[in-house]
Amino acid sequence: EAGVAQSPRYKIIEKRQSVAFWCNPISGHATLYWYQQILGQGPKLLIQFQNNGVVDDSQLPKDRFSAERLKGVDSTLKIQPAKLEDSAVYLCASSFNQGTWAFFGQGTRLTVV
Amino acid sequence: DAKTTQPPSMDCAEGRAANLPCNHSTISGNEYVYWYRQIHSQGPQYIIHGLKNNETNEMASLIITEDRKSSTLILPHATLRDTAVYYCIVRGLNTGTASKLTFGTGTRLQVTL
Repeated sequence: EAGVAQSPRYKIIEKRQSVAFWCNPISGHATLYWYQQILGQGPKLLIQFQNNGVVDDSQLPKDRFSAERLKGVDSTLKIQPAKLEDSAVYLCASSFNQGTWAFFGQGTRLTVV
Repeated sequence: DAKTTQPPSMDCAEGRAANLPCNHSTISGNEYVYWYRQIHSQGPQYIIHGLKNNETNEMASLIITEDRKSSTLILPHATLRDTAVYYCIVRGLNTGTASKLTFGTGTRLQVTL
């Protein structure tokens, strides 16, 4: 089966600019996750969707980060405006349902200069 | 906060068994133990999970102590391709925030010739 697709793979932007990441989960997977992974650390959950509803966004910096999954399939994560500390790998994952194991994409490496 | 404790790093000779320990002394009765690994520059990969019985699949074995306060992931014949960061995660299977996948810092396993 096709895996979780993410784009772009790499992105370099200047601070205060905006950026968006796209994720296409595995077909039929109801649950979608966005993680932020800073170098040397484990992934940190930013937001979890169940279909097009938000299950958890307690660690999403809502003043600058936003995410949507309008039709319950693809998802976008946006940062506006970016800060230097947002430099990280942004990982998307999906699972058939909440509580089943998740499959991860390759991630988008963001560098903010 | 992660509910698990793992050693930061371990070494293993190629062809030998790699035994990765994990402490989860506050695990509750309806929480599972999950293991993921992350090879350099890739997204995390699901390995195995269990509740209280030992589990085995084509990748690894999971041994959970009777009191469920600790577990060991066993890679029976480690190869160089098993070099990765291994994450032990405690997770509920209910819907909502209990199903969150919360990563700690993991164990960096180095397999050597």
